[in-house]
Amino acid sequence: NAGVTQTPKFRVLKTGQSMTLLCAQDMNHEYMYWYRQDPGMGLRLIHYSVGEGTTAKGEVPDGYNVSRLKKQNFLLGLESAAPSQTSVYFCASNDRDLQPQHFGDGTRLSIL
Amino acid sequence: EDQVTQSPEALRLQEGESSSLNCSYTVSGLRGLFWYRQDPGKGPEFLFTLYSAGEEKEKERLKATLTKKESFLHITAPKPEDSATYLCAVRLNSGYALNFGKGTSLLVTP
Repeated sequence: NAGVTQTPKFRVLKTGQSMTLLCAQDMNHEYMYWYRQDPGMGLRLIHYSVGEGTTAKGEVPDGYNVSRLKKQNFLLGLESAAPSQTSVYFCASNDRDLQPQHFGDGTRLSIL
Repeated sequence: EDQVTQSPEALRLQEGESSSLNCSYTVSGLRGLFWYRQDPGKGPEFLFTLYSAGEEKEKERLKATLTKKESFLHITAPKPEDSATYLCAVRLNSGYALNFGKGTSLLVTP
């Protein structure tokens, strides 16, 4: 009963490096989301997708790109990592608007 | 500016000592309010959705209520396994985002 799976779980990058975070869901959900969680702040939405092939900006999209080529996968890319992007990244999904979002267990990313 | 505020930031209870967590919101066009539980090193786990003032939901020792300006998560006779951070989030009329509060960290001691 996997639900939402995030890969990798931990990663350390150097400033300027690039990487892609992968989110996979096995619930056939239409909507998928990327959030970041920082100490002392609530979860903030980076980007989201309302269906395969669609993406949209959230509250804090700068420095990130996303792609939804397959319904079950949502990729978050950092083209040139910066220390301010050190955070815990959570992916979530739901099957339609206003339904509860189901979260993965996060990717802990440190950028030195 | 729309805002979700949770209080208290941290709460320590003895086992069996009931209490309430508060989530107040200053938003226009609320379409839903969500409560989540988050354990250390894990993602948020869904607890309740409330859609309209006066609505109540219950699950084991937890009960969530909603008014026009705030929501309460009541914890009755808590156990140590209820220790976690409880997050409140609101869904507005516009867009698809959930606006999260900063959470209440609950510790229940034996």
